Amino acid sequence: DTGVSQDPRHKITKRGQNVTFRCDPISEHNRLYWYRQTLGQGPEFLTYFQNEAQLEKSRLLSDRFSAERPKGSFSTLEIQRTEQGDSAMYLCASSSATGVYGYTFGSGTRLTVV
Amino acid sequence: GESVGLHLPTLSVQEGDNSIINCAYSNSASDYFIWYKQESGKGPQFIIDIRSNMDKRQGQRVTVLLNKTVKHLSLQIAATQPGDSAVYFCAETSGGNKLTFGTGTQLKVEL
Repeated sequence: DTGVSQDPRHKITKRGQNVTFRCDPISEHNRLYWYRQTLGQGPEFLTYFQNEAQLEKSRLLSDRFSAERPKGSFSTLEIQRTEQGDSAMYLCASSSATGVYGYTFGSGTRLTVV
Repeated sequence: GESVGLHLPTLSVQEGDNSIINCAYSNSASDYFIWYKQESGKGPQFIIDIRSNMDKRQGQRVTVLLNKTVKHLSLQIAATQPGDSAVYFCAETSGGNKLTFGTGTQLKVEL
């Protein structure tokens, strides 16, 4: 296990379509985070899980967004009825401590909505 | 709302010079700060961190300074190399559950 893995790396979709991204954290990490990053900006927090429990969701996570971590290992982020404003890099991170200490990011999924 | 921001969007330095990247934050409850480096197409990479009970921390070629009085954070890179070219973000947290990032500074190292 060499780090946080995200799939796909790139996704181009038509407006109105649904997309799903996957994140595989570092295996011993019990916390998993999703962030969104637009060009030239810092990442913005979306949600995080401790094991399979989703403990916090940002206002940015509209009802078109849903995240799951069913077995406390990998996580998926689904966006329904995509809009052009959803175009961004979606980053996943994991940590093993009680907070952000030892936080490791994946390389992200670049979403382009056309 | 609370925010973390950077003073300079782009910083150009000559190879071998020292670089200083600055960051202002507004949440006085922040207790932990991290500097990240992000190269094109990659996720943020941890550089160095500092807790709020410290005012300086040194790593390999990097130093972070924290001034809680004026809510200011800086990253110093010694003997800047071409491989240091990237976007640098400061991030903060209070309570440790999520990070709030600034907008980033593009560091360009000129040969």
